[in-house]
Amino acid sequence: SAVISQKPSRDICQRGTSLTIQCQVDSQVTMMFWYRQQPGQSLTLIATANQGSEATYESGFVIDKFPISRPNLTFSTLTVSNMSPEDSSIYLCSSTLQGAGGSFFGQGTRLTVV
Amino acid sequence: AQKITQTQPGMFVQEKEAVTLDCTYDTSDQSYGLFWYKQPSSGEMIFLIYQGSYDEQNATEGRYSLNFQKARKSANLVISASQLGDSAMYFCAMREGRGNYGGSQGNLIFGKGTKLSVKP
Repeated sequence: SAVISQKPSRDICQRGTSLTIQCQVDSQVTMMFWYRQQPGQSLTLIATANQGSEATYESGFVIDKFPISRPNLTFSTLTVSNMSPEDSSIYLCSSTLQGAGGSFFGQGTRLTVV
Repeated sequence: AQKITQTQPGMFVQEKEAVTLDCTYDTSDQSYGLFWYKQPSSGEMIFLIYQGSYDEQNATEGRYSLNFQKARKSANLVISASQLGDSAMYFCAMREGRGNYGGSQGNLIFGKGTKLSVKP
């Protein structure tokens, strides 16, 4: 299994500010995924991050709001920009080991915007 | 249409008994993967078990087994000998073979989850 370290684990932020979430994988992976889980809801894919190319965003998510970096094969960041209380969610990064079945997640970032 | 359906918003089970969490899926792909995750109140997603669409045997991992019925498009999770620590949200998920990036590395599509409560 892969070990995915995500930080911060939680944060309380003021509206209008931005938060950058970091995700580190202990092995090289092709794709990393960022998900959002709003309170009481399931996980929704925000975007897919490939190394060396622009992230691919799902419908309803835009780069200006959720810029993503993927500087190498083991690291990615997601920024939640110009936050509002509606951005209060758990944000999770994930990746899949090539050839293996399992998809693994970081510990999640519980974000509260006040 | 939902791709992953979990019809049980909440379930109760007595400690030491077995419980089955239901999951049905919808895909036209021949190659896909099915997953179950446990999410405790801390929010982390804990990978439990994986079943590939071409796997002939049902997957098992310790107390977890996946009852895979391909013709019925169901992938139910069976937890044997429930423990108090099993109380959590459980999510069924699918990775389609052709997704945005196809193959074995695509993103997951999640069901709405089932909240399992284990009673002492």
